[in-house]
Amino acid sequence: DVKVTQSSRYLVKRTGEKVFLECVQDMDHENMFWYRQDPGLGLRLIYFSYDVKMKEKGDIPEGYSVSREKKERFSLILESASTNQTSMYLCASSLGQALYEQYFGPGTRLTVT
Amino acid sequence: AQSVTQPDIHITVSEGASLELRCNYSYGATPYLFWYVQSPGQGLQLLLKYFSGDTLVQGIKGFEAEFKRSQSSFNLRKPSVHWSDAAEYFCVSGTYKYIFGTGTRLKVLA
Repeated sequence: DVKVTQSSRYLVKRTGEKVFLECVQDMDHENMFWYRQDPGLGLRLIYFSYDVKMKEKGDIPEGYSVSREKKERFSLILESASTNQTSMYLCASSLGQALYEQYFGPGTRLTVT
Repeated sequence: AQSVTQPDIHITVSEGASLELRCNYSYGATPYLFWYVQSPGQGLQLLLKYFSGDTLVQGIKGFEAEFKRSQSSFNLRKPSVHWSDAAEYFCVSGTYKYIFGTGTRLKVLA
């Protein structure tokens, strides 16, 4: 079974802190994704990566950056956390782009106070 | 712009009743279409997908969906709902990337 793990299920940070969310997949997938999930808005794509060191902006990249130094690991970085970044963050991976099934991690619920 | 609409935010059904969750997509060509389910506290899981061919698609857990090009719809159905089906369901359209609907939360009454 494909497994996507995220470093934390729950995280509480203060405004202005730098926050790292880690995601690891064990199926040698090329593509990895970061989404945020908010009630009534569904999932929105923040960034995705189609190869090591490659990244592309999604629909809502402002206030976020990403890092992919190894194929299995994709990190989301909040440079200076703000209260409007309080959300559920979901990581996913897939063999390819839209044609392929995406496998999701359990999510990290981030609260910024 | 490409979009996915799930008009029902919440749906409540009794256990054993039939279920239909609505989904409409907006795209010039036929996109790839998916239904995912998110059970409480868990990540999303793929129920079924449509790329081309037979417009009635069978998925896991007894779900099926029918693609209707004339209506730009891809509705999810299940003949008899179980209490464990209570979850949030997302319709997804994929071309270059995934576009998610806003989700439908299903409540099942015992």
